[in-house]
This record gives sequence, C-alpha cells and structure tokens, in this order.
Amino acid sequence: GNSVTQMEGPVTLSEEAFLTINCTYTATGYPSLFWYVQYPGEGLQLLLKATKADDKGSNKGFEATYRKETTSFHLEKGSVQVSDSAVYFCALRGGGYQKVTFGTGTKLQVIP
Amino acid sequence: NAGVTQTPKFRILKIGQSMTLQCTQDMNHNYMYWYRQDPGMGLKLIYYSVGAGITDKGEVPNGYNVSRSTTEDFPLRLELAAPSQTSVYFCASTTDRVDSTIYFGEGSWLTVV
Repeated sequence: GNSVTQMEGPVTLSEEAFLTINCTYTATGYPSLFWYVQYPGEGLQLLLKATKADDKGSNKGFEATYRKETTSFHLEKGSVQVSDSAVYFCALRGGGYQKVTFGTGTKLQVIP
Repeated sequence: NAGVTQTPKFRILKIGQSMTLQCTQDMNHNYMYWYRQDPGMGLKLIYYSVGAGITDKGEVPNGYNVSRSTTEDFPLRLELAAPSQTSVYFCASTTDRVDSTIYFGEGSWLTVV
C-alpha cells in the first residue's frame, strides 16, 4: 500500500534560517503529492502540491519538487519567519486514490 | 464561500454517552473523510465515502458510525463514548481527481470524561 515517511520533529530554527523537511513516499503508479500546514488550533490547509514527476510546487516562499527517481518531495524555504511556526504534513494521493495518505507531521518552531 | 463546515467545535461527553459530529460541504465533492488527531500525533482515517450511499472503513473505525445520504453531508456518530475517543476530529472533502486539493474543516474538539 501507499505510505509517507517524514522526518521526525520538532524542528527548531532561528528566524531567517534555511528550512528543509524531508518527505519520502512509497506508492504505485503516479501519485499526486501535497504539503499541508496546520497552525495551532486550526485545521489543515494546502500549502503546495505537485502532480507529476519533476513538477515544483511553490507557495509563500516554500517549495517542493516531485522527485520520482528518489521518491521524495522535500519541503524547503530559504528564510523562515516566526509566523511559519506550525505542523507540516506531507501527503500523497494515488493508486486507489479514494484514500489520502498522510505523514506523521513535523512540528516547526521558529524563534526570533 | 463556506467550504467544509463542522459542528460542534467543542464538546464534553460523559463515558457511555453518544453524539453526532456534523459535517457539511458546499463544493459538490463526492469524496468525504473523517480523521482523528490525538495530541501531538498525525491523522488517522476513521471512515470515508466516495459518494452518497457509499461508505467504507478506514484505519480506526471501531466505536464510530457514519452515513452519507446526500452529497453535502457526512455525519460521524460516536456510540458509547470512551475516554480513548478524546481527540480532535477533522472532516475533509475532495473530488475524484487524483490531483485535487483536499479541503478540511476547522476541527471538533471532543473530550470524554
């Protein structure tokens, strides 16, 4: 079946630091890949997505590239802000696409 | 532009009581889901539905029931509440396209005492 593996958190960074959150996946066929963000006390909201190999999703300074050869979809941001503090979830959909498979989430804390 | 609406937002239940979490979406999505999120943990799929009249179990269905009589509504019923069901519950919806965004409600915080 499908699976998503995210790096363990929490991740603590100083403001303006570079962020990478690793995500690898296992799936048959050609899934779509997503990053969702959950701010404290809120539901999940889409951050970015990519639907085919070599696509780059981007939003609010965050980027992730769909790498089929390494089955990865790592999230990056060049300069994080305190307002980026949240939990980030990697997800995929495909190969029996009724279900969406989420990673366990990575908590990011950005300190001033 | 309501999206996915869940009610109630907060609820305290006593052990053995029952209740229904309501979920409504106004985007004409066929696919709907219920997840639970325990403190500091990821999402676990409880039930899902691919259309009116069709439901199926997810990873953790025990103690819950669902129905899908219309495209818009997907209520989750908790029978005989137990402390282990203390959690945050999220409803979500999407289309049948593999590249479609999944839209989430704001969550329902449930405590069983």
